Amino acid sequence: AQSVTQLGSHVSVSEGALVLLRCNYSSSVPPYLFWYVQYPNQGLQLLLKYTSAATLVKGINGFEAEFKKSETSFHLTKPSAHMSDAAEYFCAVSEGTGFQKLVFGTGTRLLVSP
Amino acid sequence: KAGVTQTPRYLIKTRGQQVTLSCSPISGHRSVSWYQQTPGQGLQFLFEYFSETQRNKGNFPGRFSGRQFSNSRSEMNVSTLELGDSALYLCASSLGEASGNTIYFGEGSWLTVV
Repeated sequence: AQSVTQLGSHVSVSEGALVLLRCNYSSSVPPYLFWYVQYPNQGLQLLLKYTSAATLVKGINGFEAEFKKSETSFHLTKPSAHMSDAAEYFCAVSEGTGFQKLVFGTGTRLLVSP
Repeated sequence: KAGVTQTPRYLIKTRGQQVTLSCSPISGHRSVSWYQQTPGQGLQFLFEYFSETQRNKGNFPGRFSGRQFSNSRSEMNVSTLELGDSALYLCASSLGEASGNTIYFGEGSWLTVV
């Protein structure tokens, strides 16, 4: 069964600093991987997804993630943090075979200080 | 195009009662899935419906049920509510016809059981 591990429940950065949120996955089949963001009292918004087309995936709001099969990782990065990036971020893996089921990590709360 | 719409957004129920939550997927999407989000357990998959048939089910008791209508709209029901059912319930939709489809989430329904 697929699983996702997000290292660090909280990550703090200064405005303008690099954002790096870590995600490692476990999957017995080629995975489909997603990053979602959740702002307070809101649902989940898709940032980006990996579906094997390209290992470096660009998403919205300046975020990108790189799929590394050898490391089973899909870390999320952004070169320069903005205050508006403060939110909770979830990495997820899709259980394939046509089912639309996501297995989520425990989430990482990003704190951005001025 | 309208996103995933969930109603009601907030509700308070008493232990032992039942509750029905509604979800309207994005137009053209045939798959609807439900997730429960709590601080302790994180995001957990409840079930997925595709063309009115339950295609996948998570590890929840039988008190949790759902259905999908011919227009793809979906409802989930929780009977005999327990305090532990207090959570954010998220509905998601996708085309549902292939692995790796983008899964879009609604804003969620906040359920408080007292």
